[in-house]
This record gives sequence, structure tokens and C-alpha cells, in this order.
Amino acid sequence: DSGVTQTPKHLITATGQRVTLRCSPRSGDLSVYWYQQSLDQGLQFLIQYYNGEERAKGNILERFSAQQFPDLHSELNLSSLELGDSALYFCASSMTPNTIYFGEGSWLTVV
Amino acid sequence: EDQVTQSPEALRLQEGESSSLNCSYTVSGLRGLFWYRQDPGKGPEFLFTLYSAGEEKEKERLKATLTKKESFLHITAPKPEDSATYLCAVQAYPSGGGADGLTFGKGTHLIIQP
Repeated sequence: DSGVTQTPKHLITATGQRVTLRCSPRSGDLSVYWYQQSLDQGLQFLIQYYNGEERAKGNILERFSAQQFPDLHSELNLSSLELGDSALYFCASSMTPNTIYFGEGSWLTVV
Repeated sequence: EDQVTQSPEALRLQEGESSSLNCSYTVSGLRGLFWYRQDPGKGPEFLFTLYSAGEEKEKERLKATLTKKESFLHITAPKPEDSATYLCAVQAYPSGGGADGLTFGKGTHLIIQP
């Protein structure tokens, strides 16, 4: 158990809908990262937050957004969902940049 | 653009048969090279971070090494429970933005047969 908690574990939704994925980082970790894993693209970095502030953006679509709250938990919002957004979404957290721990992921299926 | 290439894509070994997985990388300035283990449907499990050429780290039957262009994950006398996908990732020094995101390879799917 990495200590990073993600909910929900599984989610099925229809095209055009909006979903929110939630992440609780390990105790004391200020950085939260979001990644997307699909069969063809592998693990792709989406966005990083540090102590409530956006730190870096990777390959995140404009339809996607995230935030980190004062208690350090984070949410990833996915809107206007398309079939191609079906993937495993991971949250990761770190206290220092050289040790990054991943949660178990949220399976999103768009039908 | 940072790139990571892992080989082979898949590897099947007999129990006890040692081997190595390769990770070739190009990065503007290497801050760290990460190895993770991922079981099906699970999150990546952190194994090692290497920082400079010549560095080695060990954990049980695994040893990771680093050169200026590639990293190897050596598996000695593997057991069936070592079966998993092994992912390599690089972290570059941030160019002004402070980003710590990782660029991953597509992984090596390792199967250890009893």
C-alpha cells in the first residue's frame, strides 16, 4: 500500500458527461500528480500541483482540469467525455521530487 | 523532448534464469531515472531512483544501474512472483516551471515460468 488513495476505483459513464476523480496523497506529501494510462500511449503525465498551486502541465486536454485543496487532496475533472478518454487515471504524490508514489488508479470507461 | 525506450517489450524466463531489461533515454538534463514495477490493474510500485552515471541500487533480486544513455534492471535468479511489467521513467531538471513530472517508457512485460 503506497498510502495514496484514489476514488472511485471504477467508473462507467456516457459520452458527453463529466466526472470527477479524487485523490488523497500520502501524509505530509505536498506534491500531487495526475497521470493517464492507456494501452496505446502508456503512462502520460497530465498535471502537477504543489501545496495548492499548479506547478506544471503535461499532456492535459483543455476538457480536463484539476485542483488541489487546502487539505492537499486533489480532484481531476474530466468533461465532455469521449470514447478515447477511457483509461486508467493515476494520482501520485511526493514529499521530495526523487520519490514519487502512485495510487491504485481509477478505471474510467466511457460508453 | 524527453524520450524513453524500453526493450524488450516482453520477456519470458524460466525460474532462476537471470536476465537484464534495458531502458534507453534522451533527456535535456537528467534529474533522476526511476524504475517501477506494475502488476495488472494496479498502480506502479516505486523501486529505485538513480541520479548519476555509475550509480547502482539493489533490492532483493533486482539491481538497477545507470549510464549516460541507458539504465539496466538486472534480475538475478527470478521467481514467479517477479512477473510484472517493469517501467522506466526519466525526470528532467525543470526549465523554469519547477515541474517534476516523469516521462515513462512503455515497459517490459516480464513473465517468470516455474
